[in-house]
Amino acid sequence: QVQLVESGGGVVQPGRSLRLSCAASGFSFRSYGIHWVRQAPGKGLEWLAAVSYDGSDKYYADSVKGRFTISRDNSKNTLYLHMNSLRADDTAIYYCAKEKERVGTFDHWGQGTLVTVSS
Amino acid sequence: DIQMTQSPSFVSAFVGDRVTITCRASQGIDNWLAWYQQKPGRAPKLLIYAASTLQPGVPSRFSGSGFGTDFTLTISSLRPEDFATYYCQQANFFPWTFGQGTKVEIK
Repeated sequence: QVQLVESGGGVVQPGRSLRLSCAASGFSFRSYGIHWVRQAPGKGLEWLAAVSYDGSDKYYADSVKGRFTISRDNSKNTLYLHMNSLRADDTAIYYCAKEKERVGTFDHWGQGTLVTVSS
Repeated sequence: DIQMTQSPSFVSAFVGDRVTITCRASQGIDNWLAWYQQKPGRAPKLLIYAASTLQPGVPSRFSGSGFGTDFTLTISSLRPEDFATYYCQQANFFPWTFGQGTKVEIK
């Protein structure tokens, strides 16, 4: 079955960096676009970034453009999110999510990893 | 960016009630619209995609409709397990965007 497992979250000071990972299994990882979505405590869902199946196309929300970088390693079935210049308002649960083919939606999500930005 | 506006933000309903949630896009998105259900402490779950197509395994009491800018999610007869927060999401243009959510609570 499809599994997405995020890791790398934790407590980090403002201005520092963090890298999240999302390990995928149970499907042909190299065939699907994968996204990052976050949810601040008690708030709604915020789409952050996407990478195409082969890594050639990347898209970002304005709130993270220039600070966060999405990447993937298809040889390791792993998605990454490199986060720089972290701010308190980046505190959230970060989910990776798999695209459902050609319909612009997410059919599988990871369990999420919590990032807390605090001094 | 396309803004997605859900209404209402909060619904209080009885088991067995029919519940309708609306989602309006700030510009036309054809049928690039999905609905998700999220329960506390859990990841969202896909209910409907392409505005009206039920994701396999989702009960038929859930249905979606709409095209362009106006969309609805209907739960025909609310069950206890349906009490959750529901989100719409557009995928016509990047950045993909979500509605602010509609919380369905037990009356």
